[in-house]
Amino acid sequence: DGGITQSPKYLFRKEGQNVTLSCEQNLNHDAMYWYRQDPGQGLRLIYYSQIVNDFQKGDIAEGYSVSREKKESFPLTVTSAQKNPTAFYLCASSRTSGMSTDTQYFGPGTRLTVL
Amino acid sequence: AQSVSQHNHHVILSEAASLELGCNYSYGGTVNLFWYVQYPGQHLQLLLKYFSGDPLVKGIKGFEAEFIKSKFSFNLRKPSVQWSDTAEYFCAVRNNNAGNMLTFGGGTRLMVKP
Repeated sequence: DGGITQSPKYLFRKEGQNVTLSCEQNLNHDAMYWYRQDPGQGLRLIYYSQIVNDFQKGDIAEGYSVSREKKESFPLTVTSAQKNPTAFYLCASSRTSGMSTDTQYFGPGTRLTVL
Repeated sequence: AQSVSQHNHHVILSEAASLELGCNYSYGGTVNLFWYVQYPGQHLQLLLKYFSGDPLVKGIKGFEAEFIKSKFSFNLRKPSVQWSDTAEYFCAVRNNNAGNMLTFGGGTRLMVKP
């Protein structure tokens, strides 16, 4: 079954703790992305990676970190430096970034709540 | 910076009513345009997209959108909505000079009353 998986579906964290969200894809896509979704604000780009071992900051990278050690995996760490981490986090992937025919496909999301 | 505006945040319609959701963007260069839909409890999925050619694009489930370059708009339409169209709809724009990065609008929540 091809697609993008994110785990866990729901995550609770105490203030001051770092937490890592998982994203895996078996679509053989080169590019992967992390978005944050807040009510009324649509999706905002946190980080993206066009190729293994490379990633770039998006519009709201502060307080987040990522790694891209494998093509299939792009985990996102929400650090204690993120001031307002409660949100719905979406991972996406696409074929090689920059090609005009690419479309981004999304995972089911992880809802993070900071207690 | 590029921005995407969806002016209708919440829309409530009765079944069989016609739908039009507005989407305007700010970038003046070559763009690709997308509408995504998020049904309750489901993945964000692609509804339709425009890259080039006929500015009237047809997507899944009877949806269509028209790219009007002079108005920087890509409005989504459906002649007759169904209860199952209840969802949140997102317009997104890709600036072809900025790789594959998408800029999303704030979303429109559509509720269709049976």
